[in-house]
Amino acid sequence: GQNIDQPTEMTATEGAIVQINCTYQTSGFNGLFWYQQHAGEAPTFLSYNVLDGLEEKGRFSSFLSRSKGYSYLLLKELQMKDSASYLCATMDSNYQLIWGAGTKLIIKP
Amino acid sequence: IAGITQAPTSQILAAGRRMTLRCTQDMRHNAMYWYRQDLGLGLRLIHYSNTAGTTGKGEVPDGYSVSRANTDDFPLTLASAVPSQTSVYFCASSGDSNSPLHFGNGTRLTVT
Repeated sequence: GQNIDQPTEMTATEGAIVQINCTYQTSGFNGLFWYQQHAGEAPTFLSYNVLDGLEEKGRFSSFLSRSKGYSYLLLKELQMKDSASYLCATMDSNYQLIWGAGTKLIIKP
Repeated sequence: IAGITQAPTSQILAAGRRMTLRCTQDMRHNAMYWYRQDLGLGLRLIHYSNTAGTTGKGEVPDGYSVSRANTDDFPLTLASAVPSQTSVYFCASSGDSNSPLHFGNGTRLTVT
């Protein structure tokens, strides 16, 4: 079957670094997406990985290992506005997105 | 309009009533999607459309119908609402098959 796992909730301190992990099992693979969703708002696109390795975009980086079915989102220099849910989604062989339940990130001063 | 617009923002609906959620995009995207989001669950695909004139069923299509008469509009209809359809509904679009999704602001629907 198809499955995505990510932690339900994480807590981190302002100014620190946090890593949000995502493991997946899908029928075929056409890439992995990370989205950010603030409470009461729509998800917004953060990153897309289709090849193994690290993609860096400012304070956010995303890593993919296709052989391990594993990705992580790394957030550096955390700010209070980074408090949100982070959604991992993979694209299967039919180009359909399979979504994780999301990780709620709480940032404390 | 810039992006995707959904209406209404929120709605309380009596069970058994018919309801259409509206979605309009101005990005000329071919693909459009309807998702529902419930606490503790990932986004679940209800219906999708890869291009105007075509639609397909997603993971949870029962009780919902869609139409895609043109590129811009993708309404979702609940023929006879039930309490289990209480959820937040998001419409989304993408330019091609592996492009990021752009989401509307959502419709919060409560069926009583």
